[in-house]
Amino acid sequence: DQQVKQNSPSLSVQEGRISILNCDYTNSMFDYFLWYKKYPAEGPTFLISISSIKDKNEDGRFTVFLNKSAKHLSLHIVPSQPGDSAVYFCAASALKDNYGQNFVFGPGTRLSVLP
Amino acid sequence: GAGVSQTPSNKVTEKGKYVELRCDPISGHTALYWYRQSLGQGPEFLIYFQGTGAADDSGLPNDRFFAVRPEGSVSTLKIQRTERGDSAVYLCASSLAPSTYNEQFFGPGTRLTVL
Repeated sequence: DQQVKQNSPSLSVQEGRISILNCDYTNSMFDYFLWYKKYPAEGPTFLISISSIKDKNEDGRFTVFLNKSAKHLSLHIVPSQPGDSAVYFCAASALKDNYGQNFVFGPGTRLSVLP
Repeated sequence: GAGVSQTPSNKVTEKGKYVELRCDPISGHTALYWYRQSLGQGPEFLIYFQGTGAADDSGLPNDRFFAVRPEGSVSTLKIQRTERGDSAVYLCASSLAPSTYNEQFFGPGTRLTVL
């Protein structure tokens, strides 16, 4: 049973428009969430994170929203650029004395930003 | 820059053989993680080390999988009696310390194919 779900395997967006990537989780113990971006033949790279004490975190063009009651988070990219084309993974963890971490990753969403 | 490196980048082996996959973390990073990524899935946690010791090996699928980090830097993931289902990309990551809040830096992965 997948604890972290990304129900859209792929997403295409026009350059300059907003990209919205969604993630749902089932484990109510998760209290820290991250987004990773992965280009082909490279390892994932950290993009942005959010703690469960917040409902929004923003970093430049990237904003992550967390809805704890719905167990849902989303990543907004605006404006989208062709270089944003990659696979995006949502990941979650449950803090264990601040040690870690056994991140649980979703299956990923492939974003294509069309020029 | 000296990121996380993994060797080999590709490994093809036959069912039943033994393989070793190597990870060189970023210098000074005390925490090291191994993940496995199967086709169409996100990275799946296998094991993490704090220094030389395996602090959490709960993700290792069975006793054919073993990992060591004898001097607290380089780590080797060892798979005995490989099976076709072991085919995946094996990712290594390191972080400054084993805290959820410390970014995990991933290597490019080793693609293992078991024929």
